Amino acid sequence: EPEVTQTPSHQVTQMGQEVILRCVPISNHLYFYWYRQILGQKVEFLVSFYNNEISEKSEIFDDRFSVERPDGSNFTLKIRSTKLEDSAMYFCASSDPSGRRHEQFFGPGTRLTVL
Amino acid sequence: DAKTTQPPSMDCAEGRAANLPCNHSTISGNEYVYWYRQIHSQGPQYIIHGLKNNETNEMASLIITEDRKSSTLILPHATLRDTAVYYCIVGYQKVTFGTGTKLQVIP
Repeated sequence: EPEVTQTPSHQVTQMGQEVILRCVPISNHLYFYWYRQILGQKVEFLVSFYNNEISEKSEIFDDRFSVERPDGSNFTLKIRSTKLEDSAMYFCASSDPSGRRHEQFFGPGTRLTVL
Repeated sequence: DAKTTQPPSMDCAEGRAANLPCNHSTISGNEYVYWYRQIHSQGPQYIIHGLKNNETNEMASLIITEDRKSSTLILPHATLRDTAVYYCIVGYQKVTFGTGTKLQVIP
């Protein structure tokens, strides 16, 4: 069964550095999402992306965050000037434009640790 | 998005049906009821969704009351691998997670 993949599984960075989290959505999907989950807390929506542009974003997704679909397969989340509070598990998800658009497929996540 | 209310935790004996309730009294007409689960720290997993009618798939059944103010997710034969946090979400294609119900399946 097709699945969403994410790399790396764990990323450690120094505060103030830039990180790029990578996701490969399911190949025929057209809607893409990023979520984050701080340890012990709820899964929080960050951003949704469709037709090469952001369709919705949350308050968390400030100007340090950006998303990009650089080619036909990857979907990336870039965080500039990382802060300690960015430490979390980041999940990518995708859904397709057909009748199953309600179902979001999530990746295994990238654990980001900011020191 | 409409708010949902779920019990924080539930236990279920292995092999028995797990019935997870959810209240969503402020749901609006075009909003769906979605159920996802998260096993430990894995990515959330879609289970099922519905609008008005009851739904069933290979994982679970979803029973929605006629007034749509509440619903129940039924796992017909719970296994240890069903131990997870179960999230009831209402909305239209947008998934906003709450705190969910932590289901513990007991041997």
